[in-house]
Amino acid sequence: NTKITQSPRYLILGRANKSLECEQHLGHNAMYWYKQSAEKPPELMFLYNLKQLIRNETVPSRFIPECPDSSKLLLHISAVDPEDSAVYFCASSQVWGRSGNTLYFGEGSRLIVV
Amino acid sequence: GEQVEQLPSILRVQEGSSASINCTYENSASNYFPWYKQEPGENPKLIIDIRSNMERKQTQGLIVLLDKKAKRFSLHITDTQPGDSAMYFCAASDSGYNKLTFGKGTVLLVSP
Repeated sequence: NTKITQSPRYLILGRANKSLECEQHLGHNAMYWYKQSAEKPPELMFLYNLKQLIRNETVPSRFIPECPDSSKLLLHISAVDPEDSAVYFCASSQVWGRSGNTLYFGEGSRLIVV
Repeated sequence: GEQVEQLPSILRVQEGSSASINCTYENSASNYFPWYKQEPGENPKLIIDIRSNMERKQTQGLIVLLDKKAKRFSLHITDTQPGDSAMYFCAASDSGYNKLTFGKGTVLLVSP
């Protein structure tokens, strides 16, 4: 799925600050950040609809999302922790609040904390 | 919130046989049930979904069944091929906040 692009694809960090970027070219209104740890299902972190933060799951405060426009999503991470090692997927769906919206995932950004 | 249980966690089948994965959910308000296939190093990809106004849906060797009374839904892959080997996730979505709750996943291994 090249219609949701994420960068960087791979990231190896010590205790530093970094931002993940996502852009979707599907014309969708809702965008999401999911975290997937090894051998686990994706877990919702944040949900935006039309640039507004709608849902903010229990996530450490070192993760700060930003939605500069309805097609772009950023995830700022400060002072990463080893437990943050995971793949971070950006996803999008056409609308929010209507059941049955297909969720499309980006290719993911693999974060390795050393 | 919603809880989704998925079984089995690992499923080994011979090529050409069928494979079945079962999921149960708790929230009777859930009304959308997608299935995702994830290959190693890849993103989850939607393979089939079913809405609560249906009991059965079939597409390209995949069948999903939904039993709303039992709060149970299942994926059946007919005539499995080695290319079907992957992790499969079921999920359920409530009608309000469009949040997908995923099952823990099933690793399907299809041997030649």
